[in-house]
Amino acid sequence: DSGVTQTPKHLITATGQRVTLRCSPRSGDLSVYWYQQSLDQGLQFLIQYYNGEERAKGNILERFSAQQFPDLHSELNLSSLELGDSALYFCASSVGEGRNEQYFGPGTRLTVT
Amino acid sequence: GDSVTQMEGPVTLSEEAFLTINCTYTATGYPSLFWYVQYPGEGLQLLLKATKADDKGSNKGFEATYRKETTSFHLEKGSVQVSDSAVYFCALSDRTGNQFYFGTGTSLTVIP
Repeated sequence: DSGVTQTPKHLITATGQRVTLRCSPRSGDLSVYWYQQSLDQGLQFLIQYYNGEERAKGNILERFSAQQFPDLHSELNLSSLELGDSALYFCASSVGEGRNEQYFGPGTRLTVT
Repeated sequence: GDSVTQMEGPVTLSEEAFLTINCTYTATGYPSLFWYVQYPGEGLQLLLKATKADDKGSNKGFEATYRKETTSFHLEKGSVQVSDSAVYFCALSDRTGNQFYFGTGTSLTVIP
């Protein structure tokens, strides 16, 4: 158990819909990272927050957004969903801003039908 | 830009065989390098890391050495076990610490 929690574990929704994925980092970790893992694209870094502020952006679509709240939990919002958004979404956390080992949550499996 | 390339899988080995999974990187400056492991149905776990040239990371019998001259960070284990069956990811954190790149993953199956 990494100490990172993600909810929900599974999510099935239709195209065009909007969903919110939630992540709670390990106690004491200030950074939260979001990743998308799909069969054809591998593991893609989406975005990082550090202590409530956006720190880095990777391959995140404009239809996706995230935020980190004062209690350090984070939410990833996915809107106007497409079939191709079906994937595993991982959250990870680390103590500092970068170059640190990241601790991954168990993931949320999103299926868009 | 920065990137990580790791050997294609899947890899199938007999128990107690020697394992090498190749990983090379492209980066500006001095990245940090990591190996992560993903067991079936789970998230990724850090296996080992190295933050500067010639550093050797090691954990659970796995080793990898940060080789700047060959831009490589190959994962090795002298004697694999069935419990090592998993997907292994090589990863890089760039010199700013703000961008992270993962390889495509290498699936390892160890048979008794």
